[in-house]
Amino acid sequence: DVKVTQSSRYLVKRTGEKVFLECVQDMDHENMFWYRQDPGLGLRLIYFSYDVKMKEKGDIPEGYSVSREKKERFSLILESASTNQTSMYLCASRSKTGLNQPQHFGDGTRLSIL
Amino acid sequence: GNSVTQMEGPVTLSEEAFLTINCTYTATGYPSLFWYVQYPGEGLQLLLKATKADDKGSNKGFEATYRKETTSFHLEKGSVQVSDSAVYFCALSDPGTYKYIFGTGTRLKVLA
Repeated sequence: DVKVTQSSRYLVKRTGEKVFLECVQDMDHENMFWYRQDPGLGLRLIYFSYDVKMKEKGDIPEGYSVSREKKERFSLILESASTNQTSMYLCASRSKTGLNQPQHFGDGTRLSIL
Repeated sequence: GNSVTQMEGPVTLSEEAFLTINCTYTATGYPSLFWYVQYPGEGLQLLLKATKADDKGSNKGFEATYRKETTSFHLEKGSVQVSDSAVYFCALSDPGTYKYIFGTGTRLKVLA
């Protein structure tokens, strides 16, 4: 079974802090994704990475950056946290073998910015 | 652009009732379609998928058929249980990119 592990289930940070959310997958997947989930808005794509050191902006990249130095790890960075970034953050991975492959999700990080 | 529309929730049913959650999509090309389920406090889990027209995905008593003529992928279950209470997401894979498009989710509550 694919395992996608997010480093924290709950996180509380202060406005203006630099925040790192970590995600690790154990199935040698090429593609990795970061979403945020908000009530009534569903999942919105922040960034995705189709391979090591490769990244592409999703639909809402403003205020975020990412890092993918190793295949198994994809980090989301909030450069200067703001209260409107309080949300549930979900990481996912997928094999690039066939675009019909499903994404596999971690359990999410619930981030609160005070 | 591509999009997914699913019915508003919450849907509240009694145990053993029949479930339908509607999902329609717009897409160019031939996307794959998915249903994911999210239990409280957890991430999304793949429930079922269909990769081409007329395919039926099924898992744990849930079914959905890829209907190209009506651009739909409705989720059904003949007899729901309290343990099915969760949020259900319909999604498609954009055939031209790496992206997935998700619906806004439908919350299901099943009462004993």
